Amino acid sequence: QKEVEQNSGPLSVPEGAIASLNCTYSDRGSQSFFWYRQYSGKSPELIMFIYSNGDKEDGRFTAQLNKASQYVSLLIRDSQPSDSATYLCAVNMVGSNSGYALNFGKGTSLLVTP
Amino acid sequence: DAGVIQSPRHEVTEMGQEVTLRCKPISGHNSLFWYRQTMMRGLELLIYFNNNVPIDDSGMPEDRFSAKMPNASFSTLKIQPSEPRDSAVYFCASSAYRDRVLFQFFGPGTRLTVL
Repeated sequence: QKEVEQNSGPLSVPEGAIASLNCTYSDRGSQSFFWYRQYSGKSPELIMFIYSNGDKEDGRFTAQLNKASQYVSLLIRDSQPSDSATYLCAVNMVGSNSGYALNFGKGTSLLVTP
Repeated sequence: DAGVIQSPRHEVTEMGQEVTLRCKPISGHNSLFWYRQTMMRGLELLIYFNNNVPIDDSGMPEDRFSAKMPNASFSTLKIQPSEPRDSAVYFCASSAYRDRVLFQFFGPGTRLTVL
C-alpha cells in the first residue's frame, strides 16, 4: 500500500510566525507533489506544487522536496488567521492502473492564533 | 472558467433509497475523479476515468456503488441502495497535464446524509 503520511495536528502557531507542515511518502517512483488547502466545509484548493528537489517559493508559501528522504514540506511565512485550515499533501501515484491519480494524506490542521 | 460543477450540493435521503450524484468537469480536462471524504478515513479515491473510460475502480466500496461517464462533460456516481455509513462528502475532480505536471481541481462537493 503506497502511503502519504501527515501529522493530523492541530498545529498551532501565533500570527506572524512561520508554520511548517510536513509530509512523507512511501513510493520512491512518485514524481509530482502537491499541497492543497481545505477550509472547513469547503473543497480542497491547490496552492503549491513541486517536482524537483529543493525549494520552490510562491509569495508567503515555500514548498520543499527531498526525494532521497521521501519528504516534502510546506512553509507558510508571516502566518495569518486566514491561513487556518487543513493542509493536504498529495503525491502523483505512478503505476499501471493509477498513473494519473493523486494519493492524498489525511491532512494537517493548522490554527493561526491572533 | 466555471470550474468543476457538482449537483446536488446537499442530499438527505433515507436508507434503501437510490442516490445519484452528478458532475461536470472543467472543459478540456480529460481525467475525472470521484472521491469520498469522512473525518475517520480522510479523502478516499473511489474511481477515476481517463477520456471517459474507467481506469481504476478499486476504491469503490462495494457493488452498491456505480459510476458512469457517458461523455466528456458529464459523470454520475450512483448508490443503490444507500446506507447510513455512506454519509460523507463526495467530491468530483478533473485534471489535465500542463508542462508535464498533472493538475487536479475539485468541485464544491455533495454532502450526503443517509438516515
